[in-house]
Amino acid sequence: DVVMTQSPLSLPVTLGQPASISCRSSQSLVYSDGNTYLNWFQQRPGQSPRRLIYKVSNRDSGVPDRFSGSGSGTDFTLKISRVEAEDVGVYYCMQGTHWPPTFGGGTKVEIK
Amino acid sequence: EVQLVESGGGLIQPGGSLRLSCAASGFTVSSNYMSWVRQAPGKGLEWVSVIYSGGSTYYADSVKGRFTISRDNSKNTLYLQMNSLRAEDTAVYYCAREDGAHWGQGTLVTVSS
Repeated sequence: DVVMTQSPLSLPVTLGQPASISCRSSQSLVYSDGNTYLNWFQQRPGQSPRRLIYKVSNRDSGVPDRFSGSGSGTDFTLKISRVEAEDVGVYYCMQGTHWPPTFGGGTKVEIK
Repeated sequence: EVQLVESGGGLIQPGGSLRLSCAASGFTVSSNYMSWVRQAPGKGLEWVSVIYSGGSTYYADSVKGRFTISRDNSKNTLYLQMNSLRAEDTAVYYCAREDGAHWGQGTLVTVSS
């Protein structure tokens, strides 16, 4: 299985400051169709996961533009330009290129 | 509006069986690929199974031979039949549309004597 490694595990951030989460895969996530199936999810406390970003850098409908995704191959990043209180939660990357889909271990974002 | 509502979870003894349901609205289950994803208490997310629009099914090694994913097109509902349950199957089970575009609220399965 493809191993997804996220860092850091915990990310204390000051309100209004930027935040960045790294996700690395054990294999390239470029699929034979040329797409890279790397998604980012947010899970607020007590809630179901919510997809924020699909195929590396495409924001889902309703996701604030302070969230952005980038990367290629095996190295990916989720950035929050200015953290707000509602951004507290755990963030997961997920690859859908290789079966089975696998998630990173999660990064907990909290307010300092 | 897309909605997914899971049901069927509960407390079950090791070796027992349970069937989870996921009622969908706002889209057609059979036209999408649908998945079950689980989350053990305090842990991360694990993909359990998927059923594609053509009917092909896939399972994580941890549940292969014990779990069966299916759907009822007339009810627009996804199912997960879980047999030979083990303590390590204890988790919140979510159904998800496509590669996580939409998720249900989850249903808790607790396997314990």
